[in-house]
Amino acid sequence: DAKTTQPNSMESNEEEPVHLPCNHSTISGTDYIHWYRQLPSQGPEYVIHGLTSNVNNRMASLAIAEDRKSSTLILHRATLRDAAVYYCLKYGGATNKLIFGTGTLLAVQP
Amino acid sequence: EPEVTQTPSHQVTQMGQEVILRCVPISNHLYFYWYRQILGQKVEFLVSFYNNEISEKSEIFDDQFSVERPDGSNFTLKIRSTKLEDSAMYFCASSVGQRTYEQYFGPGTRLTVT
Repeated sequence: DAKTTQPNSMESNEEEPVHLPCNHSTISGTDYIHWYRQLPSQGPEYVIHGLTSNVNNRMASLAIAEDRKSSTLILHRATLRDAAVYYCLKYGGATNKLIFGTGTLLAVQP
Repeated sequence: EPEVTQTPSHQVTQMGQEVILRCVPISNHLYFYWYRQILGQKVEFLVSFYNNEISEKSEIFDDQFSVERPDGSNFTLKIRSTKLEDSAMYFCASSVGQRTYEQYFGPGTRLTVT
């Protein structure tokens, strides 16, 4: 089962932090948690990924629960350009394919 | 920063015609993918390609579809006889490794079948 569960939509104000949650209760021990986003009229864009430890990069931070059944993508200061659909995916095992759900549509208000 | 490029950005074709969508993956990447997104729907995996072979394909990727890496830089998706339901955005992606490595997507080709 490659499904993850995310809220359909969230809103944020510009320059405020945003926490995007994801549940992946059926994750296996070898699955990584990947986050991608899709800006309007563009292809998906890699954001961040992790296995067990929290991760930081120039775009975002990823906080992974100790039991790995959930994770949170953190945008530290949302900008208007961060308005996009954010996808949380389990990735690993015997497959190379990314399985996208419907994601979370993030709206950023000025 | 290296990026995946795709041409054309928009292709209009008549039902039954053949189309070839082109992609130039990032130069040191070894794994290549095609995905599609019908308007308003999810991004769907079509096929993955490594070492000049298809490594995985979805149910969507039937005999009407084929992929090729004709030279060291291009990666193509051919649809032999297009149908109305093939109208979608087609995204090419590439990655340096498999499974845990991130995939980098191109901007897409919008295919419109009339």
